[in-house]
Amino acid sequence: QQPVQSPQAVILREGEDAVINCSSSKALYSVHWYRQKHGEAPVFLMILLKGGEQKGHEKISASFNEKKQQSSLYLTASQLSYSGTYFCGTQLNSGGYQKVTFGTGTKLQVIP
Amino acid sequence: NAGVTQTPKFQVLKTGQSMTLQCAQDMNHEYMSWYRQDPGMGLRLIHYSVGAGITDQGEVPNGYNVSRSTTEDFPLRLLSAAPSQTSVYFCASSYSRTGGGGYTFGSGTRLTVV
Repeated sequence: QQPVQSPQAVILREGEDAVINCSSSKALYSVHWYRQKHGEAPVFLMILLKGGEQKGHEKISASFNEKKQQSSLYLTASQLSYSGTYFCGTQLNSGGYQKVTFGTGTKLQVIP
Repeated sequence: NAGVTQTPKFQVLKTGQSMTLQCAQDMNHEYMSWYRQDPGMGLRLIHYSVGAGITDQGEVPNGYNVSRSTTEDFPLRLLSAAPSQTSVYFCASSYSRTGGGGYTFGSGTRLTVV
């Protein structure tokens, strides 16, 4: 079942912060985050495994609340290069190969 | 390393024609998937493979076939193209069963069916 992302779109000025949310109605094993620039392939940002850990690199980080089946992506002090569509992908807590199901994306535009 | 290579980058088909989208990876990844991307619908899984000789269906498999004879290659076949199959197709691969390290995507094939 497809995870739900919010907001669908957001416009930021350089230096502002943003939060993108991803939620599922099913128990999750992990959450992936990807960024896709227009006309390009999605690029992997990070994966969070159940356990509620927070990961990230400096100004882009994420958290995973396994009790609520929610993940949030935090972009701080945004830069023009952060513009693109952000997708979360979820893997269910099941055995065998764990397919990744993607949300419909959040379009982020950073303006000067 | 080239990563994941998809060919062709663009294709126009007439309704009813068949074709094969090629996908090859040189990272020795066991897990490969095909997704289609349509406006407002995100990435939807068509078929996936957990190793050579093993494939399974995703969310939207109708009208598509796959096979995996080698670890490197995972072609997607459109049996009889329909306008509803107009989309951007991405192939992706991963080394981990649990997706650790994420998926590496190819650059995509933009398909138009007229």
